[in-house]
Amino acid sequence: DIVMTQTPLSSPVTLGQPASISCRSSQSLVHSDGNTYLSWLQQRPGQPPRLLIYKISNRFSGVPDRFSGSGAGTDFTLKISRVEAEDVGVYYCMQATRNPYTFGQGTKLEIK
Amino acid sequence: QITLKESGPTLVKPTQTLTLTCTFSGFSLSTSGVGVGWIRQPPGKALEWLALIYWDDDKRYSPSLKSRLTITKDTSKNQVVLTMTNMDPVDTATYYCAHGGIRRDFQHWGQGTLVTVSS
Repeated sequence: DIVMTQTPLSSPVTLGQPASISCRSSQSLVHSDGNTYLSWLQQRPGQPPRLLIYKISNRFSGVPDRFSGSGAGTDFTLKISRVEAEDVGVYYCMQATRNPYTFGQGTKLEIK
Repeated sequence: QITLKESGPTLVKPTQTLTLTCTFSGFSLSTSGVGVGWIRQPPGKALEWLALIYWDDDKRYSPSLKSRLTITKDTSKNQVVLTMTNMDPVDTATYYCAHGGIRRDFQHWGQGTLVTVSS
C-alpha cells in the first residue's frame, strides 16, 4: 500500500495568516495515464469530509480560491492564503493512483 | 444536486455480518464513469477506504479487508450495498459512502453512519 505522510499533524494559525500542509507519498503518484490522483479533503468538526482539491491543484466546485494545491511525484502541499474561522478542522490528503486508495493521518488546523 | 445517505444498524455483535445501504440521488450509477465508494473512520482516527463499485459493475476492494467485503449496486433503486462479515470491535467506525468514479476522487459524501460493534 502507498503510505501517505502528512506534516504537521497539528497547525495553530492566526486568523488572516497563511497555512501550509505537506503530504508525502511512499511511491510516485503518477498514474500510467499521466495523471496524478492526489486530492485534499477538509473535515470540519462533526461533519463528513469535503473535497477541496483534486489532481494536485484543481479546486472543486464552490471551494474558495484561498485554497490551493501544488506538488508533483511524491511531494504535495495544500496552502490556505489567509485562514478564516470556518477553516478549522482536519485536512486529509488522499491518493487514488493505486489500489487501495489511501489517506494521510490528517492535519488538525486550529486557531491560535 | 447530488446527495447520498447511509443506512443500517447502529449496533452489531462480534462475528455478525454488517449490511449498509447507500441511497443516492442526483446521479445514476448506469452513467459511464460513475462510481460509489465506501470509506470508514474509527472515532478520532483517520479515514480508511474500503470499496468502490463502478457503473459497469467493476468492483474494487481494500486488499486487507477483501475477504470480508462485498459491494453491490441496484441501479433501479439508486442504491449501493456494502456487506462486511465477521465484525469485530475494531470495526467500530463511522461508515461513509461517497460519489466518485473514474475521476478517482470523492466529490460528494453522505453524512455517515456510526456503527458500534459490541456484545
